Amino acid sequence: NAGVMQNPRHLVRRRGQEARLRCSPMKGHSHVYWYRQLPEEGLKFMVYLQKENIIDESGMPKERFSAEFPKEGPSILRIQQVVRGDSAAYFCASSRNSGGYNEQFFGPGTRLTVL
Amino acid sequence: GESVGLHLPTLSVQEGDNSIINCAYSNSASDYFIWYKQESGKGPQFIIDIRSNMDKRQGQRVTVLLNKTVKHLSLQIAATQPGDSAVYFCAENSYNTDKLIFGTGTRLQVFP
Repeated sequence: NAGVMQNPRHLVRRRGQEARLRCSPMKGHSHVYWYRQLPEEGLKFMVYLQKENIIDESGMPKERFSAEFPKEGPSILRIQQVVRGDSAAYFCASSRNSGGYNEQFFGPGTRLTVL
Repeated sequence: GESVGLHLPTLSVQEGDNSIINCAYSNSASDYFIWYKQESGKGPQFIIDIRSNMDKRQGQRVTVLLNKTVKHLSLQIAATQPGDSAVYFCAENSYNTDKLIFGTGTRLQVFP
């Protein structure tokens, strides 16, 4: 069974460019979560999505960040007009069911570097 | 606000010794706790979890202890091996929420 897949693994962007991060959940999982990790820190929740719906975006910055999980295809985390402070590792997780007590399986992450 | 924090940022142990990693949490409503292991350049890997109706749970070489009175969580690793070297995070959740709240992490270094 393939785990959670993320691509690209490394992404370099210049200030002002757009970054698109992709996440394919595990087979049979319809719940996707995005987390951000700054160096030497823990992961911070950003957004929780189900197919075609954003369930909880309480951790998303108000501007420049958006996420989607279309009916077909991977979940996309989009960062417009990137700034150096966006440099971080972005992790996607998926689960089979919703609610607590459901194990979230993490992907390998995308490391975004903004020059 | 809600937070999950760790007492020790770095823990160095000798191969074969037991390791204890601690975590404090502040949200009394949390009732599900998970320990993750993160190796360099990789995503967090599930180690063990515990619900608030338990105070101890054992896995293979690992034990998690939960003290709800003082809001404290610990991970014990028996006979620590070089492959255990990583950053360990505790995370909390509750039944009616989906997001995990992570602590800042403890780096475990195993030396021969």
